Amino acid sequence: EAGVAQSPRYKIIEKRQSVAFWCNPISGHATLYWYQQILGQGPKLLIQFQNNGVVDDSQLPKDRFSAERLKGVDSTLKIQPAKLEDSAVYLCASSLSGGRETQYFGPGTRLLVL
Amino acid sequence: EDQVTQSPEALRLQEGESSSLNCSYTVSGLRGLFWYRQDPGKGPEFLFTLYSAGEEKEKERLKATLTKKESFLHITAPKPEDSATYLCAVQENEKLTFGTGTRLTIIP
Repeated sequence: EAGVAQSPRYKIIEKRQSVAFWCNPISGHATLYWYQQILGQGPKLLIQFQNNGVVDDSQLPKDRFSAERLKGVDSTLKIQPAKLEDSAVYLCASSLSGGRETQYFGPGTRLLVL
Repeated sequence: EDQVTQSPEALRLQEGESSSLNCSYTVSGLRGLFWYRQDPGKGPEFLFTLYSAGEEKEKERLKATLTKKESFLHITAPKPEDSATYLCAVQENEKLTFGTGTRLTIIP
């Protein structure tokens, strides 16, 4: 079974530029999560989707971050404009139906903002 | 707010030297406690889920246990390939809250 796919794997941008990350979850998984992992810390949830609806975006900096999951499968996370403190690994995870279901993570996208 | 604390931050062991990693938590209603392994440059890889105090799960050289306030990840006779960062996460409602991890190094 294919795992969670993410692209690109690495991205370097200047501050104030925009960037987008893509995620394809495990086939059949209804719930999709985006996490931010700063070096030396654990992942922090940014947003959770159930199918194409948002369940939790309480920790998403909405002035610069946006995310969508239009058809309930793939998702994109966008940052515009980027700040230096956005340098981190952006992880996508999926689970069968949320709740107590195990979350399976993709390899992440490493973002460096200069 | 949920709090998850992992200790130690880093641990170096000789190959074959058993030890334990700790994850202490404060949540009002624990729905599950998860252990993940993370290798450099990769996403977290699922290891175990524990749901209630007294529960134990094993996989190869790893055994996870859970009490009402903490979880332990016991590593028996570790090998160099067990070197990684081990993350624990607690679930209250829908959300997972992660600790900062224990960086484990096994020296051949």
